[in-house]
Amino acid sequence: ETGVTQTPRHLVMGMTNKKSLKCEQHLGHNAMYWYKQSAKKPLELMFVYSLEERVENNSVPSRFSPECPNSSHLFLHLHTLQPEDSALYLCASSLKGTANRAYGYTFGSGTRLTVV
Amino acid sequence: RKEVEQDPGPFNVPEGATVAFNCTYSNSASQSFFWYRQDCRKEPKLLMSVYSSGNEDGRFTAQLNRASQYISLLIRDSKLSDSATYLCVVYLNTGTASKLTFGTGTRLQVTL
Repeated sequence: ETGVTQTPRHLVMGMTNKKSLKCEQHLGHNAMYWYKQSAKKPLELMFVYSLEERVENNSVPSRFSPECPNSSHLFLHLHTLQPEDSALYLCASSLKGTANRAYGYTFGSGTRLTVV
Repeated sequence: RKEVEQDPGPFNVPEGATVAFNCTYSNSASQSFFWYRQDCRKEPKLLMSVYSSGNEDGRFTAQLNRASQYISLLIRDSKLSDSATYLCVVYLNTGTASKLTFGTGTRLQVTL
């Protein structure tokens, strides 16, 4: 399988539930990302993993917890979410950029999350 | 001022028309630029990378003007399948952190 695969595609969860989103890439990329996309807002960067090390956490609440066990897999663990966390969560991967250049990202299809 | 600013549209154009989108960015140190397209309820897909003054790929031309801090995307001979939201994306590496910043997108609707 090629590209970036995200599961599940849709998720409905209660505020007390714990769930995990999964992302897998087979592109040989060495950087992976979690983004949040809400209606009428630009994509918001949540976490960056470069060479399996978290290099950025964009002031995301602790109810979101990322995990990157290897360069091909990325998880987003969710617990005690709020209704305002309902959004499309997108995983992306790329080659690690240099000081002056970034490489294009390949996005997964996303998980549409609804918190009830 | 927003980091990346785009006209949200929608741009409604007939098939065959030429349409141009502009995008402005606030940080003059930004280093790489991209255009992505996003279809309704789908993920963004990379359309073009812009590292120097411009790039052309078939009907699509991207131009970068660093002095004025804007990037443009020109689509010639529009097709119905070009209908989508076009996202302007800017990369900045400060040495201690790097990030891509996405604009809110410009929606294009191509009609018969």
